[in-house]
Amino acid sequence: GESVGLHLPTLSVQEGDNSIINCAYSNSASDYFIWYKQESGKGPQFIIDIRSNMDKRQGQRVTVLLNKTVKHLSLQIAATQPGDSAVYFCAESLYGNNRLAFGKGNQVVVIP
Amino acid sequence: EAQVTQNPRYLITVTGKKLTVTCSQNMNHEYMSWYRQDPGLGLRQIYYSMNVEVTDKGDVPEGYKVSRKEKRNFPLILESPSPNQTSLYFCASSLKPVGSGTGELFFGEGSRLTVL
Repeated sequence: GESVGLHLPTLSVQEGDNSIINCAYSNSASDYFIWYKQESGKGPQFIIDIRSNMDKRQGQRVTVLLNKTVKHLSLQIAATQPGDSAVYFCAESLYGNNRLAFGKGNQVVVIP
Repeated sequence: EAQVTQNPRYLITVTGKKLTVTCSQNMNHEYMSWYRQDPGLGLRQIYYSMNVEVTDKGDVPEGYKVSRKEKRNFPLILESPSPNQTSLYFCASSLKPVGSGTGELFFGEGSRLTVL
């Protein structure tokens, strides 16, 4: 399969622990943010999104937090499982702008 | 099964030899896009299409062309490939453009292109 890349920031987490992945975004005018997960050999998959009028959104086992003051986004994964091992990307967009700008990614390695 | 299909998955070619990477989606999505993924640079958008016959440049369009003659297909054309286009390419689609507030892009499995 296709690997995502080399020398990404890596988070090693014990199975069952919570994971927190951080992302600093670049455009203070961005108003829509998304987290994607990319497993080895696959294309990215949508996890969760959040609009700028919110500071927190929860999904199944995942929570996204948005801090617009410092342009920071985080993804929290509860009770991390081996299947969570992947590269995680944040992406930002401006409403009405049909382009999505991706961050460089963070590798998560789950230790059984 | 809903999917985005890219072909070829792997290709090794030589400088200057025109090639096309096909992309097809079966979800009746309006929006389609091409990205390249390079180590340390993440995913960068090449071109996107809002609908049939509507295409626009992304962040790194140089050296690429696209067309959208049918809703389901969005081929990426490299008229004269060069070694700096060696990369992993992803096609993606979504029901509506990402600027409308939905970020659920569906990605293909990727096409690894090597230009010698």
